[in-house]
Amino acid sequence: SQQGEEDPQALSIQEGENATMNCSYKTSINNLQWYRQNSGRGLVHLILIRSNEREKHSGRLRVTLDTSKKSSSLLITASRAADTASYFCATVPQRDFGNEKLTFGTGTRLTIIP
Amino acid sequence: EAQVTQNPRYLITVTGKKLTVTCSQNMNHEYMSWYRQDPGLGLRQIYYSMNVEVTDKGDVPEGYKVSRKEKRNFPLILESPSPNQTSLYFCASSLFWASGANVLTFGAGSRLTVL
Repeated sequence: SQQGEEDPQALSIQEGENATMNCSYKTSINNLQWYRQNSGRGLVHLILIRSNEREKHSGRLRVTLDTSKKSSSLLITASRAADTASYFCATVPQRDFGNEKLTFGTGTRLTIIP
Repeated sequence: EAQVTQNPRYLITVTGKKLTVTCSQNMNHEYMSWYRQDPGLGLRQIYYSMNVEVTDKGDVPEGYKVSRKEKRNFPLILESPSPNQTSLYFCASSLFWASGANVLTFGAGSRLTVL
């Protein structure tokens, strides 16, 4: 079953603009992670935010977490052509004993137009 | 270079012909996992392993087997492949499994087509 659902499914913006993607999930979590996947290649970890954190930054990335709404957002500022990729959120359920996995959403396909 | 290596990267096979997709990591990671990725369905976990000789089913284990005899290797076995196993497969590993330490390192993927 899918835990995380990203929104929108696809997003196209001009280079230099900011891109925002959202993730909603269903059950309580220990942490939430964002990954990037360039076309047909392996996923690359971007950032992890714990359930007791509300915001985290890494370079041009800003992630927020609202556990009351069971949602997270990923903001990419000053986008570049190289940011073109699919972005996935992944969650670890709070009670993860016997359920040791990251559950991924279906992803947001981001296209940066030069 | 720290990495997860999968082989083969591409494979076309026929229904019923047993195949193995190998996965090896050089980071001394305890946790390893297999995912399949299908359009519109995202990534779904097939099997995972917490450590040597410890494996467990994920969300979609039917038709697959795994083994973990050595820490570095986690092969995925399709005993009798069927067309619905046509997919992009990813192996991933993590140092160990804990709520704050389960960042996954992924392999480059293996694209399997079953005719």
